[in-house]
Amino acid sequence: DTGVSQNPRHKITKRGQNVTFRCDPISEHNRLYWYRQTLGQGPEFLTYFQNEAQLEKSRLLSDRFSAERPKGSFSTLEIQRTEQGDSAMYLCASSSGGAGRDLKEKLFFGSGTQLSVL
Amino acid sequence: AQKVTQAQTEISVVEKEDVTLDCVYETRDTTYYLFWYKQPPSGELVFLIRRNSFDEQNEISGRYSWNFQKSTSSFNFTITASQVVDSAVYFCALSEAVSGGYQKVTFGTGTKLQVIP
Repeated sequence: DTGVSQNPRHKITKRGQNVTFRCDPISEHNRLYWYRQTLGQGPEFLTYFQNEAQLEKSRLLSDRFSAERPKGSFSTLEIQRTEQGDSAMYLCASSSGGAGRDLKEKLFFGSGTQLSVL
Repeated sequence: AQKVTQAQTEISVVEKEDVTLDCVYETRDTTYYLFWYKQPPSGELVFLIRRNSFDEQNEISGRYSWNFQKSTSSFNFTITASQVVDSAVYFCALSEAVSGGYQKVTFGTGTKLQVIP
């Protein structure tokens, strides 16, 4: 069990540029979540994948954000035309559990990607 | 809509003191789980404890204990004999099913605990 891996750890970009983050979940986990965390706040839900299917997107996720999870393995989160308000820590988490109402599963988090938009 | 409130933003205690972190939640579901996660300065959130909505029996696990009261929608977490390594931000979280049947986890804003040696 190598844990959830996120790359890069830090990303500094200029306003208007596109950025892409990668998350490698724990290999046997079929659920994958993206959260965003700003200073002094708790993680805010962005999107959820069950295997390769993106089942839910938060209203926080504007059209500039897109996420994929091809083949139900790693996931990428892309932000186009970044804005200074996008500066935050982007967290990925994974868990086991089927497609049903399995609510007890704990989330395993990566260390996050800290995005700074100048 | 689900909501988790942690009214305490920061708490400081002296080492070996007991400390209780408060959590109040809102949900319309009857079936849900409650969690506590710890985020140390390194940044990675780590699972601590969980409780389902049908089991109000309070438990103790090592230095951790929790008090779940459905009548007041509270899920408080106590660390006994605090240690410097307990210094971190603690998040309460609510897990419930949303349309489509998947598990949605909503976090509170966190309580920063500082344990002073």
